[in-house]
Amino acid sequence: QQQVKQSPQSLIVQKGGISIINCAYENTAFDYFPWYQQFPGKGPALLIAIRPDVSEKKEGRFTISFNKSAKQFSLHIMDSQPGDSATYFCAASINDYKLSFGAGTTVTVRA
Amino acid sequence: SQTIHQWPATLVQPVGSPLSLECTVEGTSNPNLYWYRQAAGRGLQLLFYSVGIGQISSEVPQNLSASRPQDRQFILSSKKLLLSDSGFYLCAWRSRGRIYGYTFGSGTRLTVV
Repeated sequence: QQQVKQSPQSLIVQKGGISIINCAYENTAFDYFPWYQQFPGKGPALLIAIRPDVSEKKEGRFTISFNKSAKQFSLHIMDSQPGDSATYFCAASINDYKLSFGAGTTVTVRA
Repeated sequence: SQTIHQWPATLVQPVGSPLSLECTVEGTSNPNLYWYRQAAGRGLQLLFYSVGIGQISSEVPQNLSASRPQDRQFILSSKKLLLSDSGFYLCAWRSRGRIYGYTFGSGTRLTVV
């Protein structure tokens, strides 16, 4: 049973466009929501994370939007670049103890 | 600085053979350690986690086991591999300090034939 549901499974975006990935969760005890970026053949790397006491967090071209009442959060990649082509995972945990991951979204940025 | 080492990078094993994957962490002490498995085109499934030497928690009943013989060493094992054990195995650690976020190793691609 997947505790975090992620969509879409894949997306293609033109260079300079916006990539949006959505995640939803059920467990209201979750209090830490990170996003990981994974390139082929590599382990995932922490990209950005948010706690439910804020509604948005921005780091460079990456923004997390968080809607606590809807139990949803999303990743926006602004001005997408070919180097952003990777698989992105949302995750959730209680105090960063045991991460539950979404199924992943493969993002392809076309030049 | 903290680093995590995982080996081997790739492994092809016949069905019924044993398995031993090793993960070590440097530059930190008493970390939480985790083994995840990633099937092709799917998300990461937590297999085992450890909060200390000899302390192992299993998340999914399966053909695998884990051990933590030293503070910064985490081993994933199997006595007899199944075809369904194929996948990308990732070790991760988490500091118990105020810095959040897992650090993952580079993974082991296991193919059971």
